[in-house]
Amino acid sequence: AQSVTQLGSHVSVSEGALVLLRCNYSSSVPPYLFWYVQYPNQGLQLLLKYTSAATLVKGINGFEAEFKKSETSFHLTKPSAHMSDAAEYFCAVSTGTASKLTFGTGTRLQVTL
Amino acid sequence: GAGVSQSPRYKVAKRGQDVALRCDPISGHVSLFWYQQALGQGPEFLTYFQNEAQLDKSGLPSDRFFAERPEGSVSTLKIQRTQQEDSAVYLCASSLGHAEETQYFGPGTRLLVL
Repeated sequence: AQSVTQLGSHVSVSEGALVLLRCNYSSSVPPYLFWYVQYPNQGLQLLLKYTSAATLVKGINGFEAEFKKSETSFHLTKPSAHMSDAAEYFCAVSTGTASKLTFGTGTRLQVTL
Repeated sequence: GAGVSQSPRYKVAKRGQDVALRCDPISGHVSLFWYQQALGQGPEFLTYFQNEAQLDKSGLPSDRFFAERPEGSVSTLKIQRTQQEDSAVYLCASSLGHAEETQYFGPGTRLLVL
């Protein structure tokens, strides 16, 4: 079975500050890991994914994430937050034997002036 | 190119009515997924098709939920005798077919059962 835990349902940062959204996964086989962003009344858009190549993954809009097997983590970071980053962020896992995505409960990012 | 489209975008149903939700995947995408997203929650898997074959329906919450993809393209999620607990956003996603492939999501259908 596979699962994802996102610590912190709400995160607030100032514009220009570091963004850190936490994700820990559980999987009995090598995982594929994804970060999606969801803006109000829209579907999910892929930010980045890890598929067993480089452990540091760079995505769109300046986001990146590092796969750490020893910590079973895949935290999302961005050096400098922008107002347009305010949204809901979901971490998800799939495996080679189960294509379906298992999502975390999400983290709402608020960016303040 | 066109992304995943879903219709209707919003649906209000009276308890006990049947509803049908449509998903048009990206052309050429082999895999199609349905997810249910309750308010304030992450999406939860409902069912998965590879072409016209429904390979996994383990997430369907009851036998009132039925999905089909008869020609391996458009898919319909049907909910019979809707209940208030069925109120949610229903998301469709498609992908090229392997587990590591990106799933592209549609905008969702927001279902409200009164």
